[in-house]
Amino acid sequence: EIVLTQSPVILSLSPGERATLSCRASQSVGSNLAWYEQKPGQTPRLLIYDASNRATGIPARFSGSGSGTDFTLTISSLEPEDFAVYYCQQGSTWPLTFGGGTKVEIK
Amino acid sequence: EVQLLESGGGLVQPGESLRLSCAPSGFTFRNYAMAWVRQAPGKGLEWVSTIGGDGVATHYADSVKGRFTIARDNSKNTLYLQMNSLRAEDTAVYYCAKVRAWGSDQFDYWGQGTLVIVSS
Repeated sequence: EIVLTQSPVILSLSPGERATLSCRASQSVGSNLAWYEQKPGQTPRLLIYDASNRATGIPARFSGSGSGTDFTLTISSLEPEDFAVYYCQQGSTWPLTFGGGTKVEIK
Repeated sequence: EVQLLESGGGLVQPGESLRLSCAPSGFTFRNYAMAWVRQAPGKGLEWVSTIGGDGVATHYADSVKGRFTIARDNSKNTLYLQMNSLRAEDTAVYYCAKVRAWGSDQFDYWGQGTLVIVSS
């Protein structure tokens, strides 16, 4: 099973700041990695697919990068609605796995 | 507009069974793999199972293998998850999710979820 380790677990930032979230895989997943956002009481929403492609309707402040085992989700300038939990997920190898999540909270 | 509507959740005792359903709309159901993903209270996301568009290929998490069965009826546009021998650790919100592309198994649309509680 591929283990995805997200860091940091909690990221405390202010609106307007840049957020950098990390996801590290225990073995290569190529570019087969997605990022999701989940706000309290809401369903997850796909942000980034195939490591670096923004999903439909996702603002340009969200960007993804990386391949192999190291991936990054960057939010260039945090908006109030961006404070949420972010998960990475690999679709390369069964069983599919998610990272434990990074909570982006208001500082 | 893509929509996924789950149903069938509820409170059951350990060892009992439950069948979840998901009714998708807004896309050609038979052309896409579908999945179930769950989230225990206060916890992260856990993939449960995926089924191919034609219903032949299926995959399961080890935690549910042998107890859960995923199925679909393309003529009724419905996805199912039959859950047997339920355990307390199966308590979670169960989401139906559309797979963006087979072979690149990421989830581009999610339902609102249905809550399953396993407790005596």
